[in-house]
Amino acid sequence: AQTVTQSQPEMSVQEAETVTLSCTYDTSESDYYLFWYKQPPSRQMILVIRQEAYKQQNATENRFSVNFQKAAKSFSLKISDSQLGDAAMYFCAYRSAFSGNTPLVFGKGTRLSVIA
Amino acid sequence: GAGVSQSPRYKVAKRGQDVALRCDPISGHVSLFWYQQALGQGPEFLTYFQNEAQLDKSGLPSDRFFAERPEGSVSTLKIQRTQQEDSAVYLCASSLGGWRDVHEQYFGPGTRLTVT
Repeated sequence: AQTVTQSQPEMSVQEAETVTLSCTYDTSESDYYLFWYKQPPSRQMILVIRQEAYKQQNATENRFSVNFQKAAKSFSLKISDSQLGDAAMYFCAYRSAFSGNTPLVFGKGTRLSVIA
Repeated sequence: GAGVSQSPRYKVAKRGQDVALRCDPISGHVSLFWYQQALGQGPEFLTYFQNEAQLDKSGLPSDRFFAERPEGSVSTLKIQRTQQEDSAVYLCASSLGGWRDVHEQYFGPGTRLTVT
């Protein structure tokens, strides 16, 4: 079974600064998807960024980028120019690409605080 | 509707009561997932529907949990004889395609169930 580990329960960052959230995962599969989701206090999970394992190029979405290291099974999220609205729980998630529309496997999350 | 909706947003049940949680997916979405999110944890998969067919129920924790999607749109998660360990946020997610779908899962705001 696949597992996702987020080793930082809490992180904080000054407004306008950069922060990196860590994620490692364990799988024996070669094809899969990785995601970062944001969950604000409203509880609505919002997709931040997505990476296909077969793509070597790291995904980027505006201020959000990832560092995908397939051999190391590492998938960190970098948030640049942090804003107060970035404060939330962030979840790393894995999804198999082999078995059809498979469910997401989530880590335990990292709570990000943004300091004004 | 514009997104996935869930009702009620909050539910308090006395131990032993039955509860029913509703999910309205995005119109036209074929796939529907239920997840359980315990306090301080990431969501965990419960069950998956493709249209009205329940293709995977491997995550349901006990036979007290039952889910249905009779017409392939609205889904109901029912918990019989609730226990304190059932207290959690129950998240519903839908995605556009079916078994071979690689589209994003869109999440609802969840139902927070508290069993007293």
